[in-house]
Amino acid sequence: DAGVTQSPTHLIKTRGQQVTLRCSPKSGHDTVSWYQQALGQGPQFIFQYYEEEERQRGNFPDRFSGHQFPNYSSELNVNALLLGDSALYLCASSLSSTEFFGPGTRLTVL
Amino acid sequence: GENVEQHPSTLSVQEGDSAVIKCTYSDSASNYFPWYKQELGKRPQLIIDIRSNVGEKKDQRIAVTLNKTAKHFSLHITETQPEDSAVYFCAAPYNAGKSTFGDGTTLTVKP
Repeated sequence: DAGVTQSPTHLIKTRGQQVTLRCSPKSGHDTVSWYQQALGQGPQFIFQYYEEEERQRGNFPDRFSGHQFPNYSSELNVNALLLGDSALYLCASSLSSTEFFGPGTRLTVL
Repeated sequence: GENVEQHPSTLSVQEGDSAVIKCTYSDSASNYFPWYKQELGKRPQLIIDIRSNVGEKKDQRIAVTLNKTAKHFSLHITETQPEDSAVYFCAAPYNAGKSTFGDGTTLTVKP
């Protein structure tokens, strides 16, 4: 069991660009949540996907969107990147309440 | 939404001492309380969790206590070791899926 995986590991973009991050959940998990973790802070909830639908959403603008595929993998898309979007983006998968995190994607916006 | 406050923000202890980190939450409907350990440059890893139907849970040197009336839960680490040094986060999931994390506690265990 590979656990939760994410790609890419690191990404550098410029302001105004768009980015897509990917997540494969732990085997048997059907729910995927995305978090943004700025340096020195706790993870901030972006949204959660279940049965290919966005089930819950945190306080993030519409520039942040996502998708879940039939195999439960998920993508996070961010449009019109801002400098403030630079952060570690974490994906977490779960079957019930317990979430397991992926290694994250470090996004740098220049 | 849920508000989670975590204290202290930094904690330094001598090897072998105990460490206690406390979190308070606002949503009385929260019923699951995990703790995560995050080492520098790595992912948060679940170290222990507790559900609202119990008041305490132990796993070797780690324990979590929950006071639902006062809306707080605490992480207790006994016989601390240098490898316990990391950032610890509490979380309080609410609203069928949203999770609010505390701001983290940087624990340093001095040998």
